Amino acid sequence: AQSVSQHNHHVILSEAASLELGCNYSYGGTVNLFWYVQYPGQHLQLLLKYFSGDPLVKGIKGFEAEFIKSKFSFNLRKPSVQWSDTAEYFCAVNPAGNAGNMLTFGGGTRLMVKP
Amino acid sequence: GAVVSQHPSWVICKSGTSVKIECRSLDFQATTMFWYRQFPKQSLMLMATSNEGSKATYEQGVEKDKFLINHASLTLSTLTVTSAHPEDSSFYICSATRLAGEGRETQYFGPGTRLLVL
Repeated sequence: AQSVSQHNHHVILSEAASLELGCNYSYGGTVNLFWYVQYPGQHLQLLLKYFSGDPLVKGIKGFEAEFIKSKFSFNLRKPSVQWSDTAEYFCAVNPAGNAGNMLTFGGGTRLMVKP
Repeated sequence: GAVVSQHPSWVICKSGTSVKIECRSLDFQATTMFWYRQFPKQSLMLMATSNEGSKATYEQGVEKDKFLINHASLTLSTLTVTSAHPEDSSFYICSATRLAGEGRETQYFGPGTRLLVL
C-alpha cells in the first residue's frame, strides 16, 4: 500500500518569505499527485495536480510543485507567501489509472504566515 | 467549477440515535464518491468508496454496519452513522470524482459535517 509523508507539521513564516513544503510518497508505480489546501473554517480545495508531462506544475495563487520521480517527491513551493496563505496543506497520491481513485493523504502541514 | 455540498454542516445528537449525512455533486455527475473522517489536528482518513448503484467498499477497520453508505444517484451519496456514540464524534468529509479521462480523475471535496454525539 502506498503512503505519503509530509515532513513539516508546522511552518511559521513572515510575509514575503519563500515557502517549500515537502512531500514524499512510497509507491513503485506511476502515480497521480495532488496538493490540497484547507483554509481556516473552509473545506479542502485543490491547489494543483500532476498527472503526466512537465514535472513542474503551476497551480492557483502562485503555487507550484515539482515532481521528482527519482526522489519520490512532490514538493510545494511559493516564492513569496502572503498572510492569506495561512492554511493547512495536504499532499495526496493515487496510483495512475486507478479506477477506484482512492487518494492517500499525507499528515498535513499547518502554515502560519505572520503579517 | 466542480461544487460538492454536504448537509447538514453540523449536527449534535444523543447517543444511540442515527444520523444521516448527504453529499451532493451540484454541477457534475460523480462517478465515484468517497467518505473521509478527520480527527482534530490529523489528516483525512478514507472510510469508504462509493460507486453509484453498487455496494460501497469499506477500508479496513471501518464497520460497514455502523457506517451505512447509500449511493442513490450520480449526484447523491449518503452516510448514515447508526446508533452513534461519543467516539463517533468527528468531522466527516465527502468528495466526488469528476471524470476527466481514464486515470485522471480529480476529487472535489465537500465542506464537511461536524458531528457531536453527546
